Amino acid sequence: DAGVIQSPRHEVTEMGQEVTLRCKLISGHNSLFWYRQTMMRGLELLIYFNNNVPIDDSGMPEDRFSAKMPNASFSTLKIQPSEPRDSAVYFCASSTRQGRDEQFFGPGTRLTVL
Amino acid sequence: AQKVTQAQTEISVVEKEDVTLDCVYETRDTTYYLFWYKQPPSGELVFLIRRNSFDEQNEISGRYSWNFQKSTSSFNFTITASQVVDSAVYFCALSEAYEQGGKLIFGQGTELSVKP
Repeated sequence: DAGVIQSPRHEVTEMGQEVTLRCKLISGHNSLFWYRQTMMRGLELLIYFNNNVPIDDSGMPEDRFSAKMPNASFSTLKIQPSEPRDSAVYFCASSTRQGRDEQFFGPGTRLTVL
Repeated sequence: AQKVTQAQTEISVVEKEDVTLDCVYETRDTTYYLFWYKQPPSGELVFLIRRNSFDEQNEISGRYSWNFQKSTSSFNFTITASQVVDSAVYFCALSEAYEQGGKLIFGQGTELSVKP
């Protein structure tokens, strides 16, 4: 079985540009989580969905960040406009039973905003 | 509020030594889940174990073992006879069983370095 798939694996962009990160869930999973990892703040949850519905977006830093689940297996995280402080590794994870089971993480997208 | 504390930022051991990684959590819920994840130098997050709050039995998996004690709100992780391949950052995490819950609260991680 394929695990969680994220693309791109690396993204380098300039300040002010729009960035879109993509995630494909594991087949059969119904919960989707976006995390960000930085040295300063560690691993922090940005937003999560259960059955395509956003449940908690309190971790989204500001209005420049938005996330969608257009269908049960796919999600995007968009940053517009991007800023240097958004540089981080962004992980997507999926799970079953509304997160009561373990979350399986994708390989991450390393974002660098110059 | 929920919180996970991994007081050990870095640990360095020599191969074949045993090492214990500490994890202390705070939660108001009576039903919750605890996890350990491993992040090797390659960067991916690898699931190791999940425990629910009603199961205080210790668990052993090969060289890995976990000690869950509700009385002290701790979920410690021991690696027996450590190997160089165990070098990684290890994260403890907590999830509360809200009706629509599931978000993980991570500790800051413990970086384990196993030297040959």
